[in-house]
Amino acid sequence: QKEVEQDPGPLSVPEGAIVSLNCTYSNSAFQYFMWYRQYSRKGPELLMYTYSSGNKEDGRFTAQVDKSSKYISLFIRDSQPSDSATYLCAMSPSGNTGKLIFGQGTTLQVKP
Amino acid sequence: GAGVSQSPSNKVTEKGKDVELRCDPISGHTALYWYRQSLGQGLEFLIYFQGNSAPDKSGLPSDRFSAERTGGSVSTLTIQRTQQEDSAVYLCASSLPTGAKNIQYFGAGTRLSVL
Repeated sequence: QKEVEQDPGPLSVPEGAIVSLNCTYSNSAFQYFMWYRQYSRKGPELLMYTYSSGNKEDGRFTAQVDKSSKYISLFIRDSQPSDSATYLCAMSPSGNTGKLIFGQGTTLQVKP
Repeated sequence: GAGVSQSPSNKVTEKGKDVELRCDPISGHTALYWYRQSLGQGLEFLIYFQGNSAPDKSGLPSDRFSAERTGGSVSTLTIQRTQQEDSAVYLCASSLPTGAKNIQYFGAGTRLSVL
């Protein structure tokens, strides 16, 4: 079993929809949780960075962490065609150094 | 400023040949990471350099893989006697020194195809 599980999709939604992306993990040592967005043939870019449990909002994006359930989510409101990309969750036990453990990535397509 | 730069962007090689992939991190970033992304898969950690400390090589899949970092900046990932299963995108990332948030900035990757 992988340390981080993420449904690869693909997920297709109409423009304006609310999108929910999720990851589960097994290592209770993970404290820092990130969401990266990766466009085709590009490197991943950081979208959200959160520590421990709770919510964090940034514009149309909201990240949620539930450490008791070992479950993290990314919500995208008012989705746009430009949001079409692969979304990767990543996590780490350390906040300031070391490797990240990534999920498989979910491919999202937002149709106009 | 400039982001993480990787070269070449694409590399096609024959099975059994050696390849070298290069990464130029963001200036001032002391941490450098190599990951591998196979088709439809997430990123798999390979190796991590932090300043002058011994690198974390725990992710290297075999002794055919090695990496070095010269002068605390540029890094080269070498794959010897390439196999078809080595075909993947090799991504490099860098981050600020220990003590800051571990936000890793990625290059666009080198797409390696082994025929």
